[in-house]
Amino acid sequence: DTAVSQTPKYLVTQMGNDKSIKCEQNLGHDTMYWYKQDSKKFLKIMFSYNNKELIINETVPNRFSPKSPDKAHLNLHINSLELGDSAVYFCASSQERGRTHEQYFGPGTRLTVT
Amino acid sequence: AQSVAQPEDQVNVAEGNPLTVKCTYSVSGNPYLFWYVQYPNRGLQFLLKYITGDNLVKGSYGFEAEFNKSQTSFHLKKPSALVSDSALYFCAVRALYSSASKIIFGSGTRLSIRP
Repeated sequence: DTAVSQTPKYLVTQMGNDKSIKCEQNLGHDTMYWYKQDSKKFLKIMFSYNNKELIINETVPNRFSPKSPDKAHLNLHINSLELGDSAVYFCASSQERGRTHEQYFGPGTRLTVT
Repeated sequence: AQSVAQPEDQVNVAEGNPLTVKCTYSVSGNPYLFWYVQYPNRGLQFLLKYITGDNLVKGSYGFEAEFNKSQTSFHLKKPSALVSDSALYFCAVRALYSSASKIIFGSGTRLSIRP
């Protein structure tokens, strides 16, 4: 069973479009994250949710809106896509309560904006 | 500022030789430190962590890391490198911000093991 899954794996779209990426974890973790990895492989946190509550919101354009319908899911919606949004987006989860803390990552979604 | 640094973009090692991937950190309070590995076109995989206890931490695939508080370092090591260890390695530190915490990742070190 896949611990952290993301769909789709690849997403090619045109500038100006709106798209969503879905993430699910079956680890029973209480915290989920979205990261962006750029072409130089630099990994930057975008959002973090703990028990469906937004706890970290980095300096991300408000075109990006995360939604957590329940503890096991964290989706990312992106409005008005721009060329600079092209990157690999990773979802991750961790158990923060109970001193575990290591994060488990999904396989990534490669977004290409043309 | 809380941060983590990986001073080497690339490390090249011959198969069978020992390897070290360097990491230094700056964080308030006691550090929680992690190493992750990323294979091509894959997500990051957790290798090992230091939270408290023994300074030498053992992890997956024969890797270990040594926590050195005085040098604020957490170098990743393996006694005998394998070609299959070739990948991108990230050091990370858990930083506290108000009531939340987040993981700050280093810039990554590409490890290349030649046969």
